[in-house]
Amino acid sequence: QVQLVESGGGVVQPGGSLRLSCAASGFTFSSYGMHWVRQAPGKGLEWVAFIRYDGTNKYYADSVKGRFTISRDNSKNTLFLQMNSLRAEDTAVYYCAKDRLYSSGMVHYWGQGTLVTVSS
Amino acid sequence: AIQLTQSPSSLSASVGDRVTITCRASQGISSALAWYQQKPGRAPKFLIYDASSLESGVPSRFSGSGSGTDFTLTISSLQPEDFATYYCQQFNSYPITFGQGTRLEIK
Repeated sequence: QVQLVESGGGVVQPGGSLRLSCAASGFTFSSYGMHWVRQAPGKGLEWVAFIRYDGTNKYYADSVKGRFTISRDNSKNTLFLQMNSLRAEDTAVYYCAKDRLYSSGMVHYWGQGTLVTVSS
Repeated sequence: AIQLTQSPSSLSASVGDRVTITCRASQGISSALAWYQQKPGRAPKFLIYDASSLESGVPSRFSGSGSGTDFTLTISSLQPEDFATYYCQQFNSYPITFGQGTRLEIK
């Protein structure tokens, strides 16, 4: 079955950087687009970024554009999110998620999330 | 970005009730809408796609309808495990957006 396991969350100071990873298994990782979605404490879902199955197309939410970079290593079945210039409002649980198809935009399967806290 | 507005924001209902949640898009999105269920402390679960197609394994008491700008999620007969927060999501264009959520509580 599909498994997505996020890691790399933690506490970071404002202006700092963090790199999240997501180890995927149970499906052909190189055939599916992948997303990052976040959820601030007690708040709703906010889509963050998407990368196509082959890495050729990437899309970002306006709130993270220019600060966050999504990437993937298909040889290692791993998705990444490089987060720079972090702000207090980036504090959230970050979910790695698999697209329903190679690039449909539907967020089909979700990991359990990793908490990022931006605080001094 | 396309905005999605869900109503109501919260809803109290009883086991066996029929409930409907609406989602309105700020511009037409054809049928590019999905619905998710989230329980406290858990990741969201994919329920419905293309506005009205039921994901495999999702109980048939869940149904979706609509196209263009107005959509609904209906639960025909509430079960105890259905009390959760529900989100709509548009995938017509990037950036992908979610509705603000509807919290379904036990009356």
